[in-house]
Amino acid sequence: DGGITQSPKYLFRKEGQNVTLSCEQNLNHDAMYWYRQDPGQGLRLIYYSQIVNDFQKGDIAEGYSVSREKKESFPLTVTSAQKNPTAFYLCASSLRLYGYTFGSGTRLTVV
Amino acid sequence: DQQVKQNSPSLSVQEGRISILNCDYTNSMFDYFLWYKKYPAEGPTFLISISSIKDKNEDGRFTVFLNKSAKHLSLHIVPSQPGDSAVYFCAASAGSGGSNYKLTFGKGTLLTVNP
Repeated sequence: DGGITQSPKYLFRKEGQNVTLSCEQNLNHDAMYWYRQDPGQGLRLIYYSQIVNDFQKGDIAEGYSVSREKKESFPLTVTSAQKNPTAFYLCASSLRLYGYTFGSGTRLTVV
Repeated sequence: DQQVKQNSPSLSVQEGRISILNCDYTNSMFDYFLWYKKYPAEGPTFLISISSIKDKNEDGRFTVFLNKSAKHLSLHIVPSQPGDSAVYFCAASAGSGGSNYKLTFGKGTLLTVNP
């Protein structure tokens, strides 16, 4: 059963700590994306990757880092440089535009 | 600068009536448009799309209209059902025929369908 899996569903981070959000897909999609959702802000693109070992900054990349060592995996690290990390994070993958599939999201909270 | 705008944060309609969700865009390079539906604490799911070479696309109860000259699109849901209650995101992309799959999303409209 193909899909895209994000883990964990809920994550708590202390001030000054780096955390990594996992995103795995078994859809054989080439492109993967990370979006952030804040109340009243819609979905904003953090990073995206169209092929393995290559990724591009989105609109709000500051304070985040990614890697794309495998086609199936696109982890997102929220670093201590991200001043307002509390948000709902969504990972997506696509083969073509109409194949844009989202994961179920990770809720990150700073404590 | 918001390139995709959904100016109505919320919309409330009665069950059985028509729901009309609106979206405006500013980037004239956008040539492919999509609507996504999102329930709380879940990822968005694809609903319907339209290419700029068309002005209408229909799928069951859902129809999307595109007015390129006005840079405006709308999603019509007829008839509306309580299960349609969700946040609807409009999204757009440039270069749909090539390798650019990056989507720009609006802020979303919360649709509430009352029984």
